[in-house]
Amino acid sequence: NAGVTQTPKFQVLKTGQSMTLQCAQDMNHNSMYWYRQDPGMGLRLIYYSASEGTTDKGEVPNGYNVSRLNKREFSLRLESAAPSQTSVYFCASNEGTVNTGELFFGEGSRLTVL
Amino acid sequence: GQQLNQSPQSMFIQEGEDVSMNCTSSSIFNTWLWYKQDPGEGPVLLIALYKAGELTSNGRLTAQFGITRKDSFLNISASIPSDVGIYFCAGHPTPGNTGKLIFGQGTTLQVKP
Repeated sequence: NAGVTQTPKFQVLKTGQSMTLQCAQDMNHNSMYWYRQDPGMGLRLIYYSASEGTTDKGEVPNGYNVSRLNKREFSLRLESAAPSQTSVYFCASNEGTVNTGELFFGEGSRLTVL
Repeated sequence: GQQLNQSPQSMFIQEGEDVSMNCTSSSIFNTWLWYKQDPGEGPVLLIALYKAGELTSNGRLTAQFGITRKDSFLNISASIPSDVGIYFCAGHPTPGNTGKLIFGQGTTLQVKP
């Protein structure tokens, strides 16, 4: 099994451009999450989806939108990228609809906004 | 908002040494988890703790859920070069586990062969 797959792995954008980060999991997990990782700040939750058809804001949702396309896929969209969104983005999934904390992470997508 | 404070921020040790790191919070946490992130990879769960006072081992790793529910520690015995990485604590603030798992800032471990 591939687990959690993220694309792209690297992306460079100019300020104001838009893009979508894709995430898919093949473990039949119910809940999915998007985190961003910045130096010295750990991982911060952007949005999550407890189950197919639902999404909720996390700690730092401003500037992002998400879409739970189906049970497997959860995408993160930047409508108008800003330099402050330069970060490493991680998608994760959890078997249940409640986050037990036992998350499976993808390998990350490194985004640079110039 | 709720925060987890990890210490130390970084460690540089000799192979074979034991390592200890901890995580504290000003508020009560419902669960404590420890993750490891290898360079260029996503975090991987090492140990999950669900009850105050719980002590759990996973090979050379041992972690404890503090009695006060405001702290946790992770020990690594007899370190080896592949222990290099960033170690994150994480937890659910009580009440409720509504997706909002809080992560610490991480402890970066370097091991000298």
